[in-house]
Order: sequence, then structure tokens, then C-alpha cells
Amino acid sequence: GQQVMQIPQYQHVQEGEDFTTYCNSSTTLSNIQWYKQRPGGHPVFLIQLVKSGEVKKQKRLTFQFGEAKKNSSLHITATQTTDVGTYFCAGSSDYKLSFGAGTTVTVRA
Amino acid sequence: GAGVSQSPSNKVTEKGKDVELRCDPISGHTALYWYRQSLGQGLEFLIYFQGNSAPDKSGLPSDRFSAERTGGSVSTLTIQRTQQEDSAVYLCASSWTVETQYFGPGTRLLVL
Repeated sequence: GQQVMQIPQYQHVQEGEDFTTYCNSSTTLSNIQWYKQRPGGHPVFLIQLVKSGEVKKQKRLTFQFGEAKKNSSLHITATQTTDVGTYFCAGSSDYKLSFGAGTTVTVRA
Repeated sequence: GAGVSQSPSNKVTEKGKDVELRCDPISGHTALYWYRQSLGQGLEFLIYFQGNSAPDKSGLPSDRFSAERTGGSVSTLTIQRTQQEDSAVYLCASSWTVETQYFGPGTRLLVL
């Protein structure tokens, strides 16, 4: 079955620095979604990428979908304490979303 | 309400007891998902409902787990003869299709 892997599992970042989290699928995806889960909260949708090579930006967040539609990345610039949480990618195939294990981000001021 | 609601928010039960978890999806959403999230882990797919189609139960971990969706709206996840390894947060999500999923706040289940 479809598997989605995410690295790194943990990311400890100095406030103001940049970091990237990566998502890889064992199969070609129809689309990929990113969610953010704050500590103690539930996943909240951030964005969806559909086209090969697509790049979308949300303020300091840049999302990219690979040319082969099997991988994706989330790059955060100038990390802030509000970026704390776990970022999940989820690959869509047919009707089912397969979630990665998430990257848990902590920020030191 | 405007979002997905779940009840109870917390449930503590004894090993061997049955529990029922409820999910009220966003009105009009045809798709409903149940996930399980253990502490510090990712989301484990359990079951999927879409309209009047037969549900996809492929993620249910054992026959102690079952779910229903009545009238295409409210869903109940039932765990029979609970075990300690069932302790987790159970999340429900709804959507129009396989697009954006809107998650409820979850039910935190603790089996003693």
C-alpha cells in the first residue's frame, strides 16, 4: 500500500533560522496536503498541492511538490515561536489520505 | 456548529469495558474519516465513509473496533473489550471529497 515518509521526525530550531521538512511517497500521488498540529490541538489544513513542480507560498512558508509527484517539502524561513507544532504531509491516492509521521518543531528563543 | 465536533472530549475506562465515541461532521460533508493518534505519533487511518457507499474498514486494527454512520451524518466509533493499547486520541475528520479534511478536537481515551 501507499506509504508516506517524513523527515526529520524532530526539528529543533533557533528563532530566526530557516528549516525544511521533507515528505516522500512510495507511489505517485494525485495531490499532497500539509497540516499543522499545535501542541494539544488537532491537525489543521495548511495547503494542497496538485500540479507537478508546483510551488506555493504562505508568508514565511514555502511548499513544493516534486516533478514526479512523489515528494514534497515545506520550508520555513525566519522561524518564530508561533511555528511550534507538528507538521504533517498527507498524500492523496483515490479517496484516502496517507499521513506521514510528522515533523515536530520546537523553537528556542 | 461551524466545525467538526466530537464527544466525549476525554474518556477514562477500565480494561474490558466497551466505549462509544461520537463524531458530528460539518453539515453537508459527504466524507467522514476516523483516525487514531498515539502519543507523539502520526495519524493512523481507521475507517472511511463516503455517502451511501460501503465504508472502507481496512484500517481497523481488530474486530473489537467498529463504526457506523447514520443518515450520512453522525458517526459512532465503538471499541469493545478495550485494552490498554487502545489508549490514544481518536480524531474524526470530514470533507466534501478527498480534498481538505477538517478535523474535530478529538477524544482522548485512556484505558486503565
